[in-house]
Amino acid sequence: SQKIEQNSEALNIQEGKTATLTCNYTNYSPAYLQWYRQDPGRGPVFLLLIRENEKEKRKERLKVTFDTTLKQSLFHITASQPADSATYLCAARDNTGKLIFGQGTTLQVKP
Amino acid sequence: NAGVTQTPKFQVLKTGQSMTLQCAQDMNHNSMYWYRQDPGMGLRLIYYSASEGTTDKGEVPNGYNVSRLNKREFSLRLESAAPSQTSVYFCASGPQGSPSGANVLTFGAGSRLTVL
Repeated sequence: SQKIEQNSEALNIQEGKTATLTCNYTNYSPAYLQWYRQDPGRGPVFLLLIRENEKEKRKERLKVTFDTTLKQSLFHITASQPADSATYLCAARDNTGKLIFGQGTTLQVKP
Repeated sequence: NAGVTQTPKFQVLKTGQSMTLQCAQDMNHNSMYWYRQDPGMGLRLIYYSASEGTTDKGEVPNGYNVSRLNKREFSLRLESAAPSQTSVYFCASGPQGSPSGANVLTFGAGSRLTVL
């Protein structure tokens, strides 16, 4: 079955460092990958989208890459801040059009 | 502009009781979704509606029914609640109804349901 997988272990980093989160997909080739941020007790909020023909996408301190050979997307936050602490979700549409999500990776940025 | 509004925010049910979660969006989106989120499981799709008048099962539809009442509203019904349905439920909407395209979703704030 088509799957989106993220590292379920929490990522702890020091303020100012770059956080890198991984998203892997299996058994299909999505045309787009999306990244969302979710804060405790709230719904996910869309951050970035990258198309399969784009290697990299940037938005302020955020950068997303899409490697169709490795079937992987990396999500980077540069100069991380405690306010970046949240759970980050990767998502993609499956072959029927449904948007499926990975389990999410929780990022904790320590001051 | 409210976006996606879900009600209720919290609900406690006894096993066997029924209830309906309501969702409304004001963005003129075509597609609407119901997900549940459990610890360690991420977001799992229960049902979705690609456009007004259509509904389809997602990954975990058993024990649930949905109604796309009109373009704005998409409700989720639990006919006979079970403890396994204790979860946080999220409604979402997206502009696209067709399977192609990115369809970025806007989520509601969530409804926390506990079934005793």
